[in-house]
Amino acid sequence: GAVVSQHPSWVICKSGTSVKIECRSLDFQATTMFWYRQFPKQSLMLMATSNEGSKATYEQGVEKDKFLINHASLTLSTLTVTSAHPEDSSFYICSALTGTYGYTFGSGTRLTVV
Amino acid sequence: LAKTTQPISMDSYEGQEVNITCSHNNIATNDYITWYQQFPSQGPRFIIQGYKTKVTNEVASLFIPADRKSSTLSLPRVSLSDTAVYYCLVGASKDSSYKLIFGSGTRLLVRP
Repeated sequence: GAVVSQHPSWVICKSGTSVKIECRSLDFQATTMFWYRQFPKQSLMLMATSNEGSKATYEQGVEKDKFLINHASLTLSTLTVTSAHPEDSSFYICSALTGTYGYTFGSGTRLTVV
Repeated sequence: LAKTTQPISMDSYEGQEVNITCSHNNIATNDYITWYQQFPSQGPRFIIQGYKTKVTNEVASLFIPADRKSSTLSLPRVSLSDTAVYYCLVGASKDSSYKLIFGSGTRLLVRP
């Protein structure tokens, strides 16, 4: 139990376009979800905390207008990278608190901006 | 949030037991210790969680001394597929207000 599905697993987009990444809790309700980014050979860096029905809380240094987070339901949170640039290329991972199993992570999304 | 310190990397051979130690000197009374495993281009996967003494599951054991300022993840008889990055995290993991902050992790390489 406690599966988090993340989609797409990889995406390539052109500079200046926007990309949406979805994170779904499949068999539980996730009031709180977290978004991370990870550069090659580095650890996960927390970007923001997504709360159902309210605004996301962003970590210091993360541009909230660039990384739009929407958590409109108890099973879906989305991260939209707006006006993407090559430096936004990274591995994005979502996580949800399951209540029973602690934190479960999605499989990640590899974003490449060309 | 308690900061954790782990070795950056470790090498081992197939069939050996691997012990990865994590220091968390500022652990709080209600903090749990959780270990995750991450393969390249995948999200972290839960391995084991404990509060004190020893916890064992089908893949690993977690040893926590009485002062809880450190913990040791023990992987018995590792195989090549155990090559991954291992992260130690501390916090009140069942608290929805708690954020998982990752440290550098330990990159384990298992050789044939």
